[in-house]
Amino acid sequence: KAGVTQTPRYLIKTRGQQVTLSCSPISGHRSVSWYQQTPGQGLQFLFEYFSETQRNKGNFPGRFSGRQFSNSRSEMNVSTLELGDSALYLCASSLQGAGNEQFFGPGTRLTVL
Amino acid sequence: AQSVTQLDSQVPVFEEAPVELRCNYSSSVSVYLFWYVQYPNQGLQLLLKYLSGSTLVKGINGFEAEFNKSQTSFHLRKPSVHISDTAEYFCAVSLTGTASKLTFGTGTRLQVTL
Repeated sequence: KAGVTQTPRYLIKTRGQQVTLSCSPISGHRSVSWYQQTPGQGLQFLFEYFSETQRNKGNFPGRFSGRQFSNSRSEMNVSTLELGDSALYLCASSLQGAGNEQFFGPGTRLTVL
Repeated sequence: AQSVTQLDSQVPVFEEAPVELRCNYSSSVSVYLFWYVQYPNQGLQLLLKYLSGSTLVKGINGFEAEFNKSQTSFHLRKPSVHISDTAEYFCAVSLTGTASKLTFGTGTRLQVTL
């Protein structure tokens, strides 16, 4: 069974631009969560989608948004990029929710110049 | 709200020595507990999890952890480490229920040397 895939793996953008990251979950997984990892703040939860609905949201500004499609694939979008948005963005999928193992993708490394 | 504290940012250890990585959590409600490992330039991989039942949980790669409710701890242990265990280890909690949100600790860098 294929693992969680994220595209692109690396991305360089400039301040003020917007970016879209993509995540394909493991087949059959309906829950997709996004996390931001930075040296200063560590791993922080962004949001979770389940059956195309946002089920939970972390404490991030409205510039961070996401969506999930009917095939469970998910995208997250960051508008008006700031230098502080430079991070590793990790996507995780699971069968249902709490208690189920979350399988993480390799992440997208975003650099904002 | 729940929180996780990993007291040691770095743990140096010699190969074949035992190791314990400490994790304490705070929550007013029941939680699930997890340990993840992250190798350089990779995502996170689940080592083990505690949902309920036996407080001693065995995971992959010879790791185990013990849930201690009275001390709100979930320390990770391995009796004999290998060079290949060098990585970042994260303790995490999630609330019981339906949501998947994980709250992570700040991580512990395990450095195994010869």
